[in-house]
Order: sequence, then structure tokens, then C-alpha cells
Amino acid sequence: GENVEQHPSTLSVQEGDSAVIKCTYSDSASNYFPWYKQELGKRPQLIIDIRSNVGEKKDQRIAVTLNKTAKHFSLHITETQPEDSAVYFCAAKDSSASKIIFGSGTRLSIRP
Amino acid sequence: DVKVTQSSRYLVKRTGEKVFLECVQDMDHENMFWYRQDPGLGLRLIYFSYDVKMKEKGDIPEGYSVSREKKERFSLILESASTNQTSMYLCASSLLPSPLHFGNGTRLTVT
Repeated sequence: GENVEQHPSTLSVQEGDSAVIKCTYSDSASNYFPWYKQELGKRPQLIIDIRSNVGEKKDQRIAVTLNKTAKHFSLHITETQPEDSAVYFCAAKDSSASKIIFGSGTRLSIRP
Repeated sequence: DVKVTQSSRYLVKRTGEKVFLECVQDMDHENMFWYRQDPGLGLRLIYFSYDVKMKEKGDIPEGYSVSREKKERFSLILESASTNQTSMYLCASSLLPSPLHFGNGTRLTVT
């Protein structure tokens, strides 16, 4: 089955700088990769997702890149703001079953 | 907007009790999931269901069972609660490969 690894576990960046979170997956046939943001005390919410037929996707300050050959995908947040502070989870859909497997999460802190 | 409702926000149970966590979604999604969230471990999949009465084990099914008698409802059952099952439990639904929609979570404490 699918296995997803996520790094780093914690990340602190200066407000206005960029943040990058990286994930690797094991199932080469996986075709769907969502990213979720979880603010303190709240449910995880989708912020961006990418399918395997696309190499990059961007939504305002957030972008995701996918390298199928290396089986890794990354979240890029530019011009970080205080409201970006949260825990971020990457995930991948298992190709053999209707399930989504998550990484262990990255706690992002934005320093003023 | 998709709504996933978990019956309890906080729950305190004693060791050995049978515990039911209920989840209801209103968007006619085939797929429903139960995850457990612990600090540093992310969201770990306990069980999932892709249709009524169909269920599959996730990565950590031991000590849990599920029931899906109706499409909109997916129940997680702890047959005999133990202290190591103290955790945040999150239910989600989806039309894969589309995004998961999560409930607010149930924080379960087993004493």
C-alpha cells in the first residue's frame, strides 16, 4: 500500500519569506495528491491538490510541484503571512484502493 | 457546501467500555473514512468504506470496527476502550479522487 513521508516536521520562517514542505510517496501509480491546512482546534481543510497528469499547479501564493519520476511533491508558499501559521499535511491516493494516506504533518510558524 | 457531522466533540469513557463514534455526511459521497490524529503521527487511517455495507481496513484497525448500514452514516466502534485509544478521531467523506471533507473531530479520552 501507499506510504507518504513528509519533511520537515517543524518549519519557522520570517514573515514575507517563502516556505517549502516536501513529501515522498511509495506507490508509483498514485494519481492524486492533496494538501491540507489545519489551524489550531479546527478540521483539516484542502488548500490545493494536483493530479498525476500535471507537473505544477498554482493558486495565488500557493503552488504545488509533482515529480513522478522521483515520486515526490512539494508545497511552496510565497510571501508568507501570519495567517499561514498552521499544520500542513500532504497526502496521496492509494492506486489500489479508495483511500487517502497522509504524511505526518509540518508545523509552520511565521515569525513577525 | 458539504457537511460532515460528528455526533460528539468531546467524549470521556472508562477502560473496557464499548464506544460508538457517529459520522453523517449530506453529500451522497460513496467514500467515508475514519482517521486518528496524534501529535507527530499525522492522520492515520483506521477504516474506510467505499459503499454501503462495504468496509476495508486502514493502517491501524486493531481494536476498532466500523458499520455502514446507510450511505450517509459511518460509525466507528471501540469494542473495549483502552487508554491507548485516547486521541482525536476525524471522520471524512469524498467522491475520490476529489478532496476529503472532514468533520470537526471527536476528542476521546479513555480513563
